[in-house]
Amino acid sequence: SQQGEEDPQALSIQEGENATMNCSYKTSINNLQWYRQNSGRGLVHLILIRSNEREKHSGRLRVTLDTSKKSSSLLITASRAADTASYFCATDAGDYKLSFGAGTTVTVRA
Amino acid sequence: ETGVTQTPRHLVMGMTNKKSLKCEQHLGHNAMYWYKQSAKKPLELMFVYNFKEQTENNSVPSRFSPECPNSSHLFLHLHTLQPEDSALYLCASSRRGEETQYFGPGTRLLVL
Repeated sequence: SQQGEEDPQALSIQEGENATMNCSYKTSINNLQWYRQNSGRGLVHLILIRSNEREKHSGRLRVTLDTSKKSSSLLITASRAADTASYFCATDAGDYKLSFGAGTTVTVRA
Repeated sequence: ETGVTQTPRHLVMGMTNKKSLKCEQHLGHNAMYWYKQSAKKPLELMFVYNFKEQTENNSVPSRFSPECPNSSHLFLHLHTLQPEDSALYLCASSRRGEETQYFGPGTRLLVL
């Protein structure tokens, strides 16, 4: 069943700008993960944040988690054309089964 | 992506055909997954295998039949599919006890 819901559904930005997308979920989680999918391809893991963490960084990615609001955000700084993709949040309740949202489609314009 | 391979990458089949999708992981993982991704819908978990044993069948119709002969290989046997089964079928693997999953490139299936 769907757990995460991303917002917005689509985002178009200029190269060099920051992109922010949000994920909301319904039930308690052990961790939340973000994945990227280039058009029609497999998903690539970007970053994992555990329920006891509030913020995590990886390169140009910054993820926050607010368990009281059951929400997470993914920030991509200084976007590049290669960041054009769909981004999915996935929640793990601790049973190693990921529940994905419908994704945010990001287009970075040159 | 090269750690998990899927064949074929594209498949067109009629509703009376029987075909199989293959997934192979070269990462030494012991859990494997099948997901279905339809247009504008979230990924749907179909099956989970841990150490070759099926541990999850997410109410998948019997026209989809998984097989996991060993920890490195996973198959999805298809028969008498419906047009609404057209989708991208993704295989993933993980190491038991680790949360991150590694995905293959998917098989784009079209049922006519």
